[in-house]
Amino acid sequence: EPEVTQTPSHQVTQMGQEVILRCVPISNHLYFYWYRQILGQKVEFLVSFYNNEISEKSEIFDDQFSVERPDGSNFTLKIRSTKLEDSAMYFCASSERYTGELFFGEGSRLTVL
Amino acid sequence: QKEVEQDPGPLSVPEGAIVSLNCTYSNSAFQYFMWYRQYSRKGPELLMYTYSSGNKEDGRFTAQVDKSSKYISLFIRDSQPSDSATYLCAMIAGNQFYFGTGTSLTVIP
Repeated sequence: EPEVTQTPSHQVTQMGQEVILRCVPISNHLYFYWYRQILGQKVEFLVSFYNNEISEKSEIFDDQFSVERPDGSNFTLKIRSTKLEDSAMYFCASSERYTGELFFGEGSRLTVL
Repeated sequence: QKEVEQDPGPLSVPEGAIVSLNCTYSNSAFQYFMWYRQYSRKGPELLMYTYSSGNKEDGRFTAQVDKSSKYISLFIRDSQPSDSATYLCAMIAGNQFYFGTGTSLTVIP
């Protein structure tokens, strides 16, 4: 069964360091998303991406964040200068169509020290 | 007012019970509704997807949508210990998904 895969599963970094989280969406999907979930809290939307550009982003997705689809398969989230409050589980998701079912990866846990 | 309201629980039921999970919403623009199951430290797993008022059944799961009341439900029949997880409702407006806070469910053997 096709699935969304994410790497790394867990990353520990020092405050101020850059982090790149990687995702391989389901191959025939066209819409890509990043969400985050701080421990014990709700899943929060960060950004959606379609046709090689950001289609929507939330208030959380400030200038420290960027997304990229460097090739035909990978979708990355970069945090330029990590803060303690960036510690969370980051989920990549993809969907086949505009209002289609959203399929999530297993998540990348980011710990900022 | 939050876009999506969901009782966080926790909810604890004996094995075999019928479970009812609910979400309310305020935005009439929501047209598509989903239920996800999330095990601890795992990604949300899609259970049900629906876009019309009424019921949709899949095995032991039934999703119910009442757009006039802005209310959705997920029913789990014959609940099993493996159903113990957090259940998230989600709704779409535009191509942005809005999630409820999740309801933590424990099914006791």
